[in-house]
This record gives sequence, C-alpha cells and structure tokens, in this order.
Amino acid sequence: NAGVMQNPRHLVRRRGQEARLRCSPMKGHSHVYWYRQLPEEGLKFMVYLQKENIIDESGMPKERFSAEFPKEGPSILRIQQVVRGDSAAYFCASSPTTGVNNEQFFGPGTRLTVL
Amino acid sequence: GDSVTQMEGPVTLSEEAFLTINCTYTATGYPSLFWYVQYPGEGLQLLLKATKADDKGSNKGFEATYRKETTSFHLEKGSVQVSDSAVYFCALSVGRDDKIIFGKGTRLHILP
Repeated sequence: NAGVMQNPRHLVRRRGQEARLRCSPMKGHSHVYWYRQLPEEGLKFMVYLQKENIIDESGMPKERFSAEFPKEGPSILRIQQVVRGDSAAYFCASSPTTGVNNEQFFGPGTRLTVL
Repeated sequence: GDSVTQMEGPVTLSEEAFLTINCTYTATGYPSLFWYVQYPGEGLQLLLKATKADDKGSNKGFEATYRKETTSFHLEKGSVQVSDSAVYFCALSVGRDDKIIFGKGTRLHILP
C-alpha cells in the first residue's frame, strides 16, 4: 500500500504566479489535512477536508489560498498570486477516519520557493 | 489557545548517550500527545503517542510519559544511535477534527 503521495516535491514560482500542490492520500483514506512549515518553525494546520467537503479551514489565509478534495483525484492546495512569504514546505496528511486514536500519515511535502 | 513548547536545538550527542528532549503543552480540554520524527528529505512519521494521563508511549527504544500534573511529555532514549539523527516534533491533538498542533521541532545530531 503506497503511502501519501505529494507532487511536485519542489516548486519554484515567481511572485504573482499560481502554485498548485497535489496530494494523493493513502488508499482507503477519505480525510486529508494540509499543514505549512515555515523555515525554522513547526508545522501549522491549514485545512481539513473530507471527500468533496471542507470541514475546517480555520488555519488557511482568507485570501489567495483555496483547497479542494474532489470525489475523484487528488486533493489540491492552490495559492494564487504567490508572494515571497508563501515560501515554505507544505505537508499533506491523510487518515481513514477521525477519532482520538486515529493516526495521520504524512506525505514527503512540497517545498515551495517564491522568487 | 492550545500550544506546544519544546526545547530548542540543535542537540548534539555522542552515540550511546542518554537523550532527553523536553516538551510541555497548554491545552483546553484533554489532549492526545504525540512525538513525530522527520528524517532528512522525508515526511513526518509518528514515533509514539499517549492518549491519557500516566500513559507511556514507546517505540524503537524511545519513551515518553503523559504527565498531566506538569503538562509535559518529555522524550527519552537510553542509548542513541547515529541513525536517530533527525528532527523531532512534539505535538498534541484536541477535538473531534483531530488537527494536530506542533512544537517547533528539535534537530538531533548523533556523532559516531
């Protein structure tokens, strides 16, 4: 069973461009979480999605950022009009369900660099 | 709000030394506590967890005990190896959505 897949692993964008980050959860997992890791910081929660639904987006900036998890295909984190402060590592995690004993499995991350 | 504070790194030890990485937390409610490890170029892996007071999580020789009275979850290992070199994150989860709140991470270097 393949783990959580993220692509691309590295992404370089110029200011004002769009960045699209993809996450394929583990087989059988219907819950996806996105986290952002700024340099020298811990991971910060951004958004939690189930298939076709956003459950909690309290950690996601209100502007320029959006996320989706369609019925078919990977989850997408989209950043429009990127700025230098968006440079970070973005991690996706998936779980089969929720619950206090449920483990989230993390992908290898996408490292976004904004020039 | 909920938060995790862990000792700053980097921590450099010789092989076979004793390891402690301190972690304390602040939480409304009753959190589950975790230690995650991140090896170079990889995603985070769950190292161990504890879901209630006085529980001890253990894995690969690492241990941590959920101490409610001191709001702590310190990571320990009796004899570290070079292969333990990584970044270690203390974390908690509260609430039904299970979003995880992480500390800033502690980079560990083990010298042969």
